[in-house]
Amino acid sequence: EAGVAQSPRYKIIEKRQSVAFWCNPISGHATLYWYQQILGQGPKLLIQFQNNGVVDDSQLPKDRFSAERLKGVDSTLKIQPAKLEDSAVYLCASSLSGGFQETQYFGPGTRLLVL
Amino acid sequence: QKEVEQNSGPLSVPEGAIASLNCTYSDRGSQSFFWYRQYSGKSPELIMFIYSNGDKEDGRFTAQLNKASQYVSLLIRDSQPSDSATYLCAGYTGTASKLTFGTGTRLQVTL
Repeated sequence: EAGVAQSPRYKIIEKRQSVAFWCNPISGHATLYWYQQILGQGPKLLIQFQNNGVVDDSQLPKDRFSAERLKGVDSTLKIQPAKLEDSAVYLCASSLSGGFQETQYFGPGTRLLVL
Repeated sequence: QKEVEQNSGPLSVPEGAIASLNCTYSDRGSQSFFWYRQYSGKSPELIMFIYSNGDKEDGRFTAQLNKASQYVSLLIRDSQPSDSATYLCAGYTGTASKLTFGTGTRLQVTL
């Protein structure tokens, strides 16, 4: 079974530029999550999708971050404009249906450096 | 108060010893808990999950949950150098359906 795929793996941009990340979840997984992990911290949920609907985006900085999952499969996360404090690893995860006893499976992450 | 708290470590144990990792949570209504292992530069991978009071064993790993005291622990028996990593405790806290992570505890297994 293929895991969660993410691209790119690394990205370096200057502040005020825009960047986009892509994620393809495990086949058949209805729930998709985007996390931000700053060095030395645990992952923080940015947004959770159930199929193509948003379940939770309470911690997404909506003035600069946006995310979509138009066909209920793959997803993109965009930052525009980027700030220095956005430097982090962006992790995508998926689970079967989002239940509280389900395991979330993580992709390899995208490491973003904002200069 | 953070919803899920861990000591950042590092926790250093000699090879072959038992490593004990602890996690506390603030919301008494929290449902289930997960332990993830994260090697440097890699993404988290699931070690164990637990949602009932008591112990759950899987090979060298034992997860313990005490809902009355609001803590979760992970014991690693016969620690190996390959166990050296950051261990993340995560829980579905309160009525929220989102998984909240602690900051992680860095474990070092020394030869």
